[in-house]
Amino acid sequence: KQEVTQIPAALSVPEGENLVLNCSFTDSAIYNLQWFRQDPGKGLTSLLLIQSSQREQTSGRLNASLDKSSGRSTLYIAASQPGDSATYLCAVRPSDSWGKFQFGAGTQVVVTP
Amino acid sequence: EPEVTQTPSHQVTQMGQEVILRCVPISNHLYFYWYRQILGQKVEFLVSFYNNEISEKSEIFDDQFSVERPDGSNFTLKIRSTKLEDSAMYFCASRRRGQEFDQPQHFGDGTRLSIL
Repeated sequence: KQEVTQIPAALSVPEGENLVLNCSFTDSAIYNLQWFRQDPGKGLTSLLLIQSSQREQTSGRLNASLDKSSGRSTLYIAASQPGDSATYLCAVRPSDSWGKFQFGAGTQVVVTP
Repeated sequence: EPEVTQTPSHQVTQMGQEVILRCVPISNHLYFYWYRQILGQKVEFLVSFYNNEISEKSEIFDDQFSVERPDGSNFTLKIRSTKLEDSAMYFCASRRRGQEFDQPQHFGDGTRLSIL
């Protein structure tokens, strides 16, 4: 059974530092992996989607890498800002599914001014 | 930018009552999903829906639950005879068909369901 783990559970950094968020999954048979941001009491905002055949995706200050064989993805956020404070979730779509995602528990990030 | 919209934002219901949670997916999307998040826990998949039928469901999605796309715009989740443990945030998501690969799933802001 696929398990998705995000470590650390919480992270606090001063503004301007780069953020590194980790996601690991136990079964490498995935179709893709998506990173989300969740603000308190809000829905999930899609950040980046990486297909299983891709090594990385970039959007602005965000870069996500994927090493499928080792079951890892990393989300990098460059030059963090207080507005980046949120919970970041990763989710994997198993290869044998019709599109369901299995989520990690998330990393809660606080960027201090 | 188009959004997935969910109503109501908060629903309070007596145990044993039926509830219907409503979602309007993004207009050109063809794949629809329901997830839930119990307070302090992971987001959990409930069901996926494509071409007017369920394509996949989780163990959570038992006979108590049903989904429907009654018209061209709405996608609903019905919970019959609600239980205390159904209290959670329920998220609707949708995505469009990709040419070669999947497209991202887009989520609504959720409906907080409180069972008393």
